[in-house]
Amino acid sequence: NAGVTQTPKFRILKIGQSMTLQCAQDMNHNYMYWYRQDPGMGLKLIYYSVGAGITDKGEVPNGYNVSRSTTEDFPLRLELAAPSQTSVYFCASTPGQGGSGANVLTFGAGSRLTVL
Amino acid sequence: AQSVAQPEDQVNVAEGNPLTVKCTYSVSGNPYLFWYVQYPNRGLQFLLKYITGDNLVKGSYGFEAEFNKSQTSFHLKKPSALVSDSALYFCAVRDLRGGADGLTFGKGTHLIIQP
Repeated sequence: NAGVTQTPKFRILKIGQSMTLQCAQDMNHNYMYWYRQDPGMGLKLIYYSVGAGITDKGEVPNGYNVSRSTTEDFPLRLELAAPSQTSVYFCASTPGQGGSGANVLTFGAGSRLTVL
Repeated sequence: AQSVAQPEDQVNVAEGNPLTVKCTYSVSGNPYLFWYVQYPNRGLQFLLKYITGDNLVKGSYGFEAEFNKSQTSFHLKKPSALVSDSALYFCAVRDLRGGADGLTFGKGTHLIIQP
């Protein structure tokens, strides 16, 4: 059982380039999230999805886009990368409302992105 | 809006001593509270949660947390610290904002256990 898998682990981008961070989970979780982690700032929610075909903005969505075509996959797209997007990105999932696992997020190992 | 505060950026404890990592919360309604741990270059791992019931919640690796409604606190504790407990600890609260039903995290507290 792999849990939440993120790729790539590390990436360096030039300003203005675009890329996609991949996230896949094999736990049949309905809810998926993208967070960014900056030193001393905790985690900020970028986008979330409550099921296939449904996505919505979190606290810091500007400069990002997501899609959720399947239950398993939740890619995060960075368009026109900027230095302010240098961060560590975490994907997480949870079964959804109800049940003992509700609200217990399972996190991926993270993707460290540097924009130069 | 839901929020949590971790007043200490860093906590230093000698190995074998008890440890406490502080967290206070601000929520509307009944709080769902969580503690996560992050080891270097890893994702966050769930430690424990409080939803209802006993104010003392036991979790992984010998950690426990005490829910105090009057002080709006949810401090993480362990009776005897290990060097391997050194990590970054996050307190979090359930956040229903916009239907996300996710978590809002504190800024994190670095716990350093000295041999």
